[in-house]
Amino acid sequence: GQSLEQPSEVTAVEGAIVQINCTYQTSGFYGLSWYQQHDGGAPTFLSYNALDGLEETGRFSSFLSRSDSYGYLLLQELQMKDSASYFCAGRDDKIIFGKGTRLHILP
Amino acid sequence: DGGITQSPKYLFRKEGQNVTLSCEQNLNHDAMYWYRQDPGQGLRLIYYSQIVNDFQKGDIAEGYSVSREKKESFPLTVTSAQKNPTAFYLCASSMDMKNTEAFFGQGTRLTVV
Repeated sequence: GQSLEQPSEVTAVEGAIVQINCTYQTSGFYGLSWYQQHDGGAPTFLSYNALDGLEETGRFSSFLSRSDSYGYLLLQELQMKDSASYFCAGRDDKIIFGKGTRLHILP
Repeated sequence: DGGITQSPKYLFRKEGQNVTLSCEQNLNHDAMYWYRQDPGQGLRLIYYSQIVNDFQKGDIAEGYSVSREKKESFPLTVTSAQKNPTAFYLCASSMDMKNTEAFFGQGTRLTVV
C-alpha cells in the first residue's frame, strides 16, 4: 500500500519563499506529483518528479529524493493567489494523494 | 476542447435514495478515478478503472458502485448504503496506469437532505 504525509498547514509572507514537504511509503513507486487546489475548485497538476533532483517550472520547483522517500514543493516570490491547498501524490496501480497542505499567505 | 466533465455541479438527495454522478472525458485516457473530499480533508479514493469493463475498489468503496462500459464514461452511483454521502466528489483521468498526471473534472457537490 501507499501513504503520503505532509504538513496540514503552512504560513508565509507575500514575496517570500515557502517549502512544502512530503514523505511517502509505497510498495511500488512511479514518481511523485504535486497538485494545487483553490477553495471550491478542482485540483490542477503542477509538477512531476520521476527521478532524483529538482524540476523547475516558473516560480514553482519540485524536488525528489528516492533514497529518502522524500520530496518537496518550493514556491518562490509568493503571491496572494498562491493561497490554496497543495497535495503530493504517488502511485502504484492507482493515484493516491496526501491529505494536503493549506498554504496561508500574509500580506 | 479536450477535458473531463462532471455533472451535475450540485446535487441534492433525500435519505434512502440512490443517485448517479456523471463523469465523461474526451482525452482518450485509459485510467479513470473517483475521489471523495470532505471539508478541509484530502482526496480519498473510491473506485478506479484502468481499462474498459474493469474497475477496482479504492480505500472507501463501501456504499458506492461504478461501471466502465465505455472508455469515455465512468459514472458513480452513491447508494442508500452509504452512511454519510454528503461530500464533494471528484472524477479524474490519466493517460494510463503509469502516468501520474491526472486531469480533474470540476466536481459534484452532493448534499443529503
